[in-house]
Amino acid sequence: KNQVEQSPQSLIILEGKNCTLQCNYTVSPFSNLRWYKQDTGRGPVSLTIMTFSENTKSNGRYTATLDADTKQSSLHITASQLSDSASYICVVRPPRWLIFGAGTRLAVHP
Amino acid sequence: EAGVAQSPRYKIIEKRQSVAFWCNPISGHATLYWYQQILGQGPKLLIQFQNNGVVDDSQLPKDRFSAERLKGVDSTLKIQPAKLEDSAVYLCASSKGANVNEKLFFGSGTQLSVL
Repeated sequence: KNQVEQSPQSLIILEGKNCTLQCNYTVSPFSNLRWYKQDTGRGPVSLTIMTFSENTKSNGRYTATLDADTKQSSLHITASQLSDSASYICVVRPPRWLIFGAGTRLAVHP
Repeated sequence: EAGVAQSPRYKIIEKRQSVAFWCNPISGHATLYWYQQILGQGPKLLIQFQNNGVVDDSQLPKDRFSAERLKGVDSTLKIQPAKLEDSAVYLCASSKGANVNEKLFFGSGTQLSVL
């Protein structure tokens, strides 16, 4: 069964600190993997996309990594800001439809 | 560039009532999606349109849910009759095409509460 599992479920960090969010998937075959940021009450917004052959992709303070052999991805946030408080959703693309993880809820406190 | 517009923002109804949601995608986007996002879960695809045709509706509960995109632009999603378990956020998304690497742009969603 195609699944996307994210950890931790929720995370609280202090402003300025770094954090890493994890995504494990069992989707096969696999076209690409995206990380989305979803602010409360808003729709998800794409942060990065990686295809099978890519290992790392950066978008400002966000860096995503992908290990297609172990079927794991991570999203690293550097020097966190209060505006980073949101849910971060890992989305995997098999041939048919997108499969979304449940997300990690990140709270950045001053 | 205007984003994906959805209305209403919130809706509260009683079970067995009917409800309709509206979505206007980004101009020029041929592909339109409706997703259901239950609290604490990731979005689940309900239906995908390519212009005015249905590409995938295999996860749409067709006994109570219906959707249309008659002119290939805006779309409506209807639930009739609603059940308690339909309480969720209904997200509309659009993309330029259906290519696997196309980025989806999401609206802010309609939050439905069924009492």
